[in-house]
Amino acid sequence: EVQLQESGPGLVKPSQSLSLTCSVTGYSITSNYWGWIRKFPGNKMEWMGYISYSGSTSYNPSLKSRISITRDTSKNQFFLQLNSVTTEDTATYYCASSFRRVWVYWGQGVMVTVSS
Amino acid sequence: DIQMTQSPPSLSASLGDKVTITCQASQNINKYIAWYQQKPGKAPRLLIRYTSTLESGTPSRFSGSGSGRDYSFSISNVESEDIASYYCLQYDNLPWTFGGGTKLELK
Repeated sequence: EVQLQESGPGLVKPSQSLSLTCSVTGYSITSNYWGWIRKFPGNKMEWMGYISYSGSTSYNPSLKSRISITRDTSKNQFFLQLNSVTTEDTATYYCASSFRRVWVYWGQGVMVTVSS
Repeated sequence: DIQMTQSPPSLSASLGDKVTITCQASQNINKYIAWYQQKPGKAPRLLIRYTSTLESGTPSRFSGSGSGRDYSFSISNVESEDIASYYCLQYDNLPWTFGGGTKLELK
């Protein structure tokens, strides 16, 4: 079974970068698509971007200038970096895997607060 | 971006009721809509894809329908384990976009 687990700091200061890791077991990240989705306080959900089996990426245009998704295939991990964060980036961040275009498997999520 | 308008934001039901949630897209999404269930502190769980295709393990009391811009998701015979929030997701066009969610509570 595919399992995903997010890790990273729960508190980030404004203007700094948010960096998260998603560790995947049970499936190789060199297949399918692997993405990041966040849920804001108030429950709005936003797809942030993905990295494909080949390493290509696609990002939500709302974040395009601030986001980077990369991977380490040797560790079966992929990463999120979001630059110049503000308090509006406070959210629970999920990593997920897409099978046939739908986000099927999700991590448990990590809550990230942006605050000084 | 395609906007997904989900309603109602909250819903109160008794055990055994049938409840329906709707999502309207800002444009035709060609049936590429999925429905998720999320319980507090848990990851979203995919219940239905492509409007009405139940995922493995999704109970048959869940169903979906619709076409074009208008879609619905129903739970017949609500059970206590169904108390959760539900979200629609359109995956016809990037960026994928979610509805605002519906919180199902027990009456």
